[in-house]
Amino acid sequence: GQNIDQPTEMTATEGAIVQINCTYQTSGFNGLFWYQQHAGEAPTFLSYNVLDGLEEKGRFSSFLSRSKGYSYLLLKELQMKDSASYLCAVRDGYGGATNKLIFGTGTLLAVQP
Amino acid sequence: DAGVTQSPTHLIKTRGQQVTLRCSPKSGHDTVSWYQQALGQGPQFIFQYYEEEERQRGNFPDRFSGHQFPNYSSELNVNALLLGDSALYLCASSLVGTGIYEQYFGPGTRLTVT
Repeated sequence: GQNIDQPTEMTATEGAIVQINCTYQTSGFNGLFWYQQHAGEAPTFLSYNVLDGLEEKGRFSSFLSRSKGYSYLLLKELQMKDSASYLCAVRDGYGGATNKLIFGTGTLLAVQP
Repeated sequence: DAGVTQSPTHLIKTRGQQVTLRCSPKSGHDTVSWYQQALGQGPQFIFQYYEEEERQRGNFPDRFSGHQFPNYSSELNVNALLLGDSALYLCASSLVGTGIYEQYFGPGTRLTVT
C-alpha cells in the first residue's frame, strides 16, 4: 500500500528552529518532495531529495534516508510568514514518463511571536 | 514566463450536474497532472496526461475523465456530481525527460457541490 505519515500540527516560536518529520511506505520511490501551502493557495515547491543526505537551501533544509523511509524538513530562523501547511510527497514512478506524486496529509505549522 | 493557470477560480454546482475545469501548463511543460484536495487533507492524484494520453490514474471513479490538447492544455470533467466532490482541484505541470521532476501547481479551482 501507499502510506505517508507526518504530524498533523506543530507550533513553534518566531526565530526558532523546527523539524517536520515524514515517514513513507510506497510501492515505488523516485524522489521525495516538500511543498509549502498557505491557506487557500497552491502548493509551492521547497525541496527535492532523491539520494540520501541533506539538501540545504537558505533557511530550509531537507534530509532523506531511503533505507529508513524517512525524511525531515528543517526550517531555521522562523518567521511569521512561515505559518503554513507543509506537505511531504513521494514521487511514485520509474523513468521519465510518469511523475505521480503521493502526498501526506500535511503538517500545519503555526509560528507564534 | 507564464505559470500554471486554471479556470474558473470558483464554481458552485448542484448534485447530479457535470463540470469541466481547465488548465494551461507552465510555458515549455508537456505533462499535466490533476489532484483533488479536500479540506484539511493533502492532494490526491486523479490522473496524468502526456502526449494527449492518460498515462496514470489514481483511485477515482470513471465519473472523472480528462483530456489533453495538442497545445498541452488540459481539461478535467466530472459527471454526476456528488456532495463529496466538493474540493480544491489542482493542476500541476512538469516536463518529461529532463531530469527535472518538480511539479508546478496552479492556483486551483474551488468546486462546491450543493
